[in-house]
Amino acid sequence: DQQVKQNSPSLRVQEGRISILNCDYTNSMFDYFLWYKKYPAEGPTFLISISSIKDKNEDGRFTVFLNKSAKHLSLHIVPSQPGDSAVYFCAASARRNQGGKLIFGQGTELSVKP
Amino acid sequence: GAGVSQTPSNKVTEKGKYVELRCDPISGHTALYWYRQSLGQGPEFLIYFQGTGAADDSGLPNDRFFAVRPEGSVSTLKIQRTERGDSAVYLCASSETDQETQYFGPGTRLLVL
Repeated sequence: DQQVKQNSPSLRVQEGRISILNCDYTNSMFDYFLWYKKYPAEGPTFLISISSIKDKNEDGRFTVFLNKSAKHLSLHIVPSQPGDSAVYFCAASARRNQGGKLIFGQGTELSVKP
Repeated sequence: GAGVSQTPSNKVTEKGKYVELRCDPISGHTALYWYRQSLGQGPEFLIYFQGTGAADDSGLPNDRFFAVRPEGSVSTLKIQRTERGDSAVYLCASSETDQETQYFGPGTRLLVL
C-alpha cells in the first residue's frame, strides 16, 4: 500500500508565480515530514521539513503546510524560478517509533517556464 | 565539507553475478540508510544502520540482499545472484542520528543485463 502519495506527476508554472505541490499520507503514526528536490543524475537534496506538532514552516521562498486532520501537506514555492525545475519528493517518517526510516511519494516534476 | 559519496557511480553486470555497492557517509554521522529508486518512482527504503548494527532491515526485498557497516562508517550493500529486476539507482544517505535530516549521495546506477 502506498502510504505517501503525490497524485500529480507533473506541474507547469510560469516564472514568478506560485508553485504548489501536494502530498497525502495514510499512516497516522507519521510525525515528521520532509520535502526533497532531485535533479537528473543526482541524489535528492533536502529542502524543508516540518514536525507534526506544527502546521507551517517557512524558509525563504519555500513554505510547507501540514493539515493533520486531512493527512495532507503541501509545499509552496513563491516566486517560482526556472532553477526550481526538478522532481520534488515528499517523505514521511515515524521517528518516535521507527527512527529515521523515510517513506517517499512518487514525486512531482515541476517545470518553471520563463 | 565532503558529502555522502557512493562508488561506483555506474555498474553494469550480468544476471546471476554478485555486486557490491559502497557508501561513504558524512564524517561523524552515526545513522546510514540505503534506498532503491526505480524509474518513475520515489526512493524505497531498504535498510538503516545506527552505528555498526542494522536498526531496521525491513525493506530488504529478499535474502539475496545484504548490507554491512563493520566499523560504523563505510557501508557496503551486497547483492547476490543479481536479477534484471534489481536494476535501479541505489541511494545512500546519512544523518547525525536517526532523528536528524538525511543527506543523500549521488547514487549508484545498477544495470543487470
